[in-house]
Amino acid sequence: RKEVEQDPGPFNVPEGATVAFNCTYSNSASQSFFWYRQDCRKEPKLLMSVYSSGNEDGRFTAQLNRASQYISLLIRDSKLSDSATYLCVVSPYSSASKIIFGSGTRLSIRP
Amino acid sequence: DGGITQSPKYLFRKEGQNVTLSCEQNLNHDAMYWYRQDPGQGLRLIYYSQIVNDFQKGDIAEGYSVSREKKESFPLTVTSAQKNPTAFYLCASSRGTGGQPQHFGDGTRLSIL
Repeated sequence: RKEVEQDPGPFNVPEGATVAFNCTYSNSASQSFFWYRQDCRKEPKLLMSVYSSGNEDGRFTAQLNRASQYISLLIRDSKLSDSATYLCVVSPYSSASKIIFGSGTRLSIRP
Repeated sequence: DGGITQSPKYLFRKEGQNVTLSCEQNLNHDAMYWYRQDPGQGLRLIYYSQIVNDFQKGDIAEGYSVSREKKESFPLTVTSAQKNPTAFYLCASSRGTGGQPQHFGDGTRLSIL
């Protein structure tokens, strides 16, 4: 089993729709969680950290479920500009040197 | 503006040649990292450094070397021992340990001539 797993997609949804995807992790001792966004042929950019209580940033909501060992990202009122690959990132230890990137979920928003 | 600068953006390597990728940051971050990304794949850690004059191997260090003589700089050398170097190379930095998020440069695309 991979340490961090994501559905590769692609998720193809119409503009304005709500879309959600999950990321599962295998190490129950994981400490820190992030969502990154990567556009085609570009570097990953931090979208948001994921906190135990869940957190929201505008149209984006991130949640953590420690019991089932997954994190989720919900995008409401999706825009064409949301089209990208979303990377789930998990740090199994308190050290950032052990950060592990998922392979990403491709999201395509159609007009 | 603070950030991470990678150069060059594109690089071509001849067989048997060593090439060096530059990574400079002015974020005053202690930790720096090198990743490799192949098409359709996730990021794989090559080397990381948590402090000046110290660095550790990542998951795929064979065929690569690094140095960390200055806090701001973490160059990566792709040696001739790396037989499949064609990939997108990403440098990142973070404030330190403790699960801090990483910030990336805009990458270097390396190809074999």
